Amino acid sequence: DAMVIQNPRYQVTQFGKPVTLSCSQTLNHNVMYWYQQKSSQAPKLLFHYYDKDFNNEADTPDNFQSRRPNTSFCFLDIRSPGLGDAAMYLCATSRDGGQGSDEQFFGPGTRLTVL
Amino acid sequence: QKEVEQDPGPLSVPEGAIVSLNCTYSNSAFQYFMWYRQYSRKGPELLMYTYSSGNKEDGRFTAQVDKSSKYISLFIRDSQPSDSATYLCAIRADYQLIWGAGTKLIIKP
Repeated sequence: DAMVIQNPRYQVTQFGKPVTLSCSQTLNHNVMYWYQQKSSQAPKLLFHYYDKDFNNEADTPDNFQSRRPNTSFCFLDIRSPGLGDAAMYLCATSRDGGQGSDEQFFGPGTRLTVL
Repeated sequence: QKEVEQDPGPLSVPEGAIVSLNCTYSNSAFQYFMWYRQYSRKGPELLMYTYSSGNKEDGRFTAQVDKSSKYISLFIRDSQPSDSATYLCAIRADYQLIWGAGTKLIIKP
């Protein structure tokens, strides 16, 4: 089955220790998104790639970076995690981005704990 | 005022009841309206989307959009314990989805 895969599902890191979260997709979609979701809150878009074009949201902290080495993979790097960065990180893909009913497909998420 | 408002609940109803979940929004230019379901510790999955005003039905689920009052609804008939989840409304704005906070729904057996 075509899908969005995130690894690891659970990540524990120490305050200030860099961490990388991974997302891969078998849907061959053009667009990949990273969201942060805190408990009982809506997902918050951090950035997205349209193919190789990177688009950062204005309020995404510099502490968050992303890489997309090819169509299938996208990484979220948190350079110096703080306690406030503990959250669920969701990767999503879509075929065309802002085209009407274009659906976003989500992975299962990586739950990040910062000690 | 947030662009999309949604009561976070929780909403607890007995099995078999009709459930009504709602969102309001502020921008009359919005055209595409979506409902996602999110189970605990999982990513959201698209349940239904609606373009402009009107109703859309899929099995036990009905999505309704009233653009004149900027109000969107999701109805679940014959609710089941497996429907227990958080339901998020989302509205497309260009490449982005503007999300409601999600309503936690609990169906009691």
